[in-house]
Amino acid sequence: GAGVSQTPSNKVTEKGKYVELRCDPISGHTALYWYRQSLGQGPEFLIYFQGTGAADDSGLPNDRFFAVRPEGSVSTLKIQRTERGDSAVYLCASSLMAASEQFFGPGTRLTVL
Amino acid sequence: EDKVVQSPLSLVVHEGDTVTLNCSYEVTNFRSLLWYKQEKKAPTFLFMLTSSGIEKKSGRLSSILDKKELSSILNITATQTGDSAIYLCAVNTGTASKLTFGTGTRLQVTL
Repeated sequence: GAGVSQTPSNKVTEKGKYVELRCDPISGHTALYWYRQSLGQGPEFLIYFQGTGAADDSGLPNDRFFAVRPEGSVSTLKIQRTERGDSAVYLCASSLMAASEQFFGPGTRLTVL
Repeated sequence: EDKVVQSPLSLVVHEGDTVTLNCSYEVTNFRSLLWYKQEKKAPTFLFMLTSSGIEKKSGRLSSILDKKELSSILNITATQTGDSAIYLCAVNTGTASKLTFGTGTRLQVTL
């Protein structure tokens, strides 16, 4: 594809519900990253995949957050029992390999009511 | 804890002005410094800098890294209203290659 794509672009949910956010990286990019951006802040790292495996999940805030990349391409970020504090823009990025420049998708704006 | 600080936080200039945005960092394992432009949601890649003192240039935008001073600047000459955006600085650290971002500089270019 031409760039990183993310779906949905907007998601409104109620407190306590489960949500899934999808990321489709640039074709051929082996590294995939998830970040979260709150209003007025820079993006904050959540998790990094190299291929199918999570190489670094140190940024996940707690065990309600989980991400998978089963075939080394598309990734899904899963949030259980959502809380109002989870409201943010969730950004996905991919790079050809680790340490090369990261290209970002348009993000998913998550609102938890 | 890795830290990236950008200044100024916001800036308003007139079209045609030249601006300089600053980024300083304190990180444990520096690999590279990146600049992004964010207009709506998606940060758009501008530059990646790894070597000190070598300027990267693209049109009216240029950037340089000073590893001795742990800092970088982004210059925009002859600003246009389309340059209005948040400019993010990020440092690539550690074996995981995660990016640590600053809070950004909000640039507004007026007519």
